[in-house]
Amino acid sequence: NAGVIQTPRHKVTGKGQEATLWCEPISGHSAVFWYRQTIVQGLEFLTYFRNQAPIDDSGMPKERFSAQMPNQSHSTLKIQSTQPQDSAVYLCASSLVAGGSTQYFGPGTRLLVL
Amino acid sequence: GQQVQQSPASLVLQEGENAELQCNFSSTATRLQWFYQRPGGSLVSLLSNPSGTKHTGRLTSTTVTKERRGSLHISSSQITDSGTYLCAMSGGSNYKLTFGKGTLLTVTP
Repeated sequence: NAGVIQTPRHKVTGKGQEATLWCEPISGHSAVFWYRQTIVQGLEFLTYFRNQAPIDDSGMPKERFSAQMPNQSHSTLKIQSTQPQDSAVYLCASSLVAGGSTQYFGPGTRLLVL
Repeated sequence: GQQVQQSPASLVLQEGENAELQCNFSSTATRLQWFYQRPGGSLVSLLSNPSGTKHTGRLTSTTVTKERRGSLHISSSQITDSGTYLCAMSGGSNYKLTFGKGTLLTVTP
């Protein structure tokens, strides 16, 4: 079991560019979550999917962030027109089912917007 | 929204001493999960329990749901236990985790 896989591990973009982050959940897990971590805000929830369907995106900044899960083996988080305040570690987690199950986290993608 | 408070913010121990980390949350939790993170490292799940007491190795997690609090006990601390311990909770039908700010544990020789 390779665990949750996230690519790239590091990404540097210029202000205004687009960034796409990838997540491959643990095989057989039906729920996929996205979080981000900064020194100031700590860990914050962004969005989650269950059986590929979007369930809760209440943590997503509305205008420039979007997430998709086109199949059960990967999810993407896209940030358009990146801003310096988007710099953070973006973490993907998966769990066997959405409720009552342990969430397992990937190593994260460290995004730096210059 | 849901809030999670962890205490202490930091803790320094000598090797072999025990640690008690506290977590208080603002609404009824259906699950409390403890994580460990080294600087720049991944989040490692330690224990997950909605209520009662759970053990693994030198770790004991106790959750008192009615009182909206949980704790993580680390016995016989080792230098390699140094890092940040994070508490996270979810409540009701909402499965997203809300995290505390963490406790930074430093174990010295």
